[in-house]
Amino acid sequence: DTAVSQTPKYLVTQMGNDKSIKCEQNLGHDTMYWYKQDSKKFLKIMFSYNNKELIINETVPNRFSPKSPDKAHLNLHINSLELGDSAVYFCASSQEATEYEQYFGPGTRLTVT
Amino acid sequence: AQSVTQLGSHVSVSEGALVLLRCNYSSSVPPYLFWYVQYPNQGLQLLLKYTTGATLVKGINGFEAEFKKSETSFHLTKPSAHMSDAAEYFCAAISSGSARQLTFGSGTQLTVLP
Repeated sequence: DTAVSQTPKYLVTQMGNDKSIKCEQNLGHDTMYWYKQDSKKFLKIMFSYNNKELIINETVPNRFSPKSPDKAHLNLHINSLELGDSAVYFCASSQEATEYEQYFGPGTRLTVT
Repeated sequence: AQSVTQLGSHVSVSEGALVLLRCNYSSSVPPYLFWYVQYPNQGLQLLLKYTTGATLVKGINGFEAEFKKSETSFHLTKPSAHMSDAAEYFCAAISSGSARQLTFGSGTQLTVLP
């Protein structure tokens, strides 16, 4: 049973396209996140979201938008893809009661050509 | 803003030798601290965490870390390295009022030599 899953694992697309990455967690957590890992393996928070609030990192372009159909899902939509969006994107989840320990998905490697 | 610094982007040790990966945080208020490991082409796995209480925390795979407030450090150690420990290690912190967002260090690539 995968705790945090992401699809697809690999995504290759052309500049200007719109794409989505899906994330699902079966842990019953109340908060979900998206992180971006660049080519130097640096990890940066993009969004955190629970049913009360969405926190957006101010450096994230508005071409990126999280959408949560329900508590167990947080999808990432990216419009007008650019070369610089190429990275590995990780979804994570946590529960406040467990002191914010975050569980990560396996990642989605996005390549923009 | 919170920042996390990992000294040494690459660390090499011989199999059986001590592993020491360094991490310092910047907050004047002790944050929650974490160490994660990332194996090639995989997601991040939590090794251990410090929130409150005992300053020496033990994690999985024989790793441990000590929170030292006076030094604003949270270094990761393992007495005897194993080949399977070769991976990227990330130190991370959450500060109060940060909306539960992890701030990561830049990572340390650990190589274990036979």
